[in-house]
Amino acid sequence: DTAVSQTPKYLVTQMGNDKSIKCEQNLGHDTMYWYKQDSKKFLKIMFSYNNKELIINETVPNRFSPKSPDKAHLNLHINSLELGDSAVYFCASSQDGNSPLHFGNGTRLTVT
Amino acid sequence: AQKVTQAQTEISVVEKEDVTLDCVYETRDTTYYLFWYKQPPSGELVFLIRRNSFDEQNEISGRYSWNFQKSTSSFNFTITASQVVDSAVYFCALPPPGSGNTGKLIFGQGTTLQVKP
Repeated sequence: DTAVSQTPKYLVTQMGNDKSIKCEQNLGHDTMYWYKQDSKKFLKIMFSYNNKELIINETVPNRFSPKSPDKAHLNLHINSLELGDSAVYFCASSQDGNSPLHFGNGTRLTVT
Repeated sequence: AQKVTQAQTEISVVEKEDVTLDCVYETRDTTYYLFWYKQPPSGELVFLIRRNSFDEQNEISGRYSWNFQKSTSSFNFTITASQVVDSAVYFCALPPPGSGNTGKLIFGQGTTLQVKP
């Protein structure tokens, strides 16, 4: 069974479009995250939710809106996509803030 | 400021060689956790180890070992008798100060390890 699953794996879209990435975890963890990995492999946190409550919003543009319908799901909606949004987006979960992160396989977003 | 430095951008070794990946960090916290993650060519991020700053004993897991030295703020990772399957990008990470239980991590730039047959 996949612990943290995110869909789609690849997302190719044009500038200005709106897209969503879905994430689900079956580990029973309370905390979920979105991380962004740029073309140079640099990883940076975007958002963190604990039991559906937003904990971290790391100065991400308002075009990015996370939504957590329950503690097992954390989706990411992106409005008005820009070229600079092209990256790999990783969903992750952890039991608590000091526990290891369990990452999904990533969504490679390409904006043309 | 919180900072994680992996000075080695790329390392190339021949199979069976030992290789050490360096990680130097800065923190103003007195207690903290340190992490290593692996990202193989397939792209997923895999947790390798978490180390509490209280525990300075070296950790060994099979061919992998970690040397944590609080005095020099280093948490180095050694692969003994490297194999082609060890080829990956390796990331060192730690939480920023005052992040509490948020789970936020600051990642190093990553070291790309290539193990040639």
